[in-house]
Amino acid sequence: GQQLNQSPQSMFIQEGEDVSMNCTSSSIFNTWLWYKQDPGEGPVLLIALYKAGELTSNGRLTAQFGITRKDSFLNISASIPSDVGIYFCAGPFSSGTYKYIFGTGTRLKVLA
Amino acid sequence: GAVVSQHPSRVICKSGTSVKIECRSLDFQATTMFWYRQFPKQSLMLMATSNEGSKATYEQGVEKDKFLINHASLTLSTLTVTSAHPEDSSFYICSAGQGQVQYFGPGTRLTVL
Repeated sequence: GQQLNQSPQSMFIQEGEDVSMNCTSSSIFNTWLWYKQDPGEGPVLLIALYKAGELTSNGRLTAQFGITRKDSFLNISASIPSDVGIYFCAGPFSSGTYKYIFGTGTRLKVLA
Repeated sequence: GAVVSQHPSRVICKSGTSVKIECRSLDFQATTMFWYRQFPKQSLMLMATSNEGSKATYEQGVEKDKFLINHASLTLSTLTVTSAHPEDSSFYICSAGQGQVQYFGPGTRLTVL
């Protein structure tokens, strides 16, 4: 079945540092969604990507839809303590469906 | 816009009882909603697709008689965990879509004693 693997699994960084994480799929996607989840809460949408090669920003966050359509990347610039949380990528189970499979997650911890 | 609510946020019940969780899209209509389950330190696992006016479709391995889903209106889907057991304790999250994007509710923490 489809799998979405995220890397790294977890990371500790200093406040002010830039962060990079990625998500790889075993199959081609036509949509990538990136979410952030705080403890005990539902995921919050950060960025949606719809086209291979697309680069989209949301404040300090930038995400890219990989050219192979099997990967996506999320960068956070100048991290702050509230960036702490788990970041998930998500892609549709199959083309034309709104059912999404979620990645394994990247847990981010920011040291002040 | 695109706000999804869930109720209750937390529930504790005794083994053998049934628990109903509501998911509402507050500012948009959703013909389809999704139910996920999340165990501690794990990712979200899709359980089922809730379809307004028709039967829900369940993912492989999810018991439809145990997790009853009703999507009675364009803004409300309910998940009922029947005859709950301790292993059903988990974080249940619903989502509703606008186009290709899914918006999530705040989740319901279920603890079965």
